[in-house]
Amino acid sequence: GNSVTQMEGPVTLSEEAFLTINCTYTATGYPSLFWYVQYPGEGLQLLLKATKADDKGSNKGFEATYRKETTSFHLEKGSVQVSDSAVYFCALTTGGFKTIFGAGTRLFVKA
Amino acid sequence: NAGVTQTPKFQVLKTGQSMTLQCAQDMNHEYMSWYRQDPGMGLRLIHYSVGAGITDQGEVPNGYNVSRSTTEDFPLRLLSAAPSQTSVYFCASSWDSLNTEAFFGQGTRLTVV
Repeated sequence: GNSVTQMEGPVTLSEEAFLTINCTYTATGYPSLFWYVQYPGEGLQLLLKATKADDKGSNKGFEATYRKETTSFHLEKGSVQVSDSAVYFCALTTGGFKTIFGAGTRLFVKA
Repeated sequence: NAGVTQTPKFQVLKTGQSMTLQCAQDMNHEYMSWYRQDPGMGLRLIHYSVGAGITDQGEVPNGYNVSRSTTEDFPLRLLSAAPSQTSVYFCASSWDSLNTEAFFGQGTRLTVV
């Protein structure tokens, strides 16, 4: 079946450090891939998405590239801020309205 | 534009009690769903709906019922609460099932004692 695997957290970084959160997936067909972010006490909100191979999604300095050959969608940011502290979820959809989420990776950014 | 609204935000139930979690969206989305979020397990799909009058089971449907009488509303019913249902519940909606983002409510934190 379809699945999403994310690196376990928490990830703790100092402000201005480089961030990578790994995400790999297993899916039949051609999924769309998403990164969602959850700030404390809130619901999830879309951070970025990519709908086909080699697409790059980007938003707020975050980027992720849809790599079909490695079935990956790693999230990166060149310089994190304290305000980026949150839980990040990788997700995929293959139609039929069954979005599959990874377990989430908690990021702490220290000033 | 309110988006997806969930009520209540917090609830404590005794084992065996029943209750309904409310979810409403004002974006005219056809697709709506309920997830539960537990530590280390991400979000797991409970039930979903592809339009008014149509619902289906997700990954963890046992102990929950849903109905979709209107496009806007998608309530989740706990028939007889159990401690294993202690969780944070999220309702989500979207335009379609593949390429568009899901919009989430702010969640309901439920504790069953």
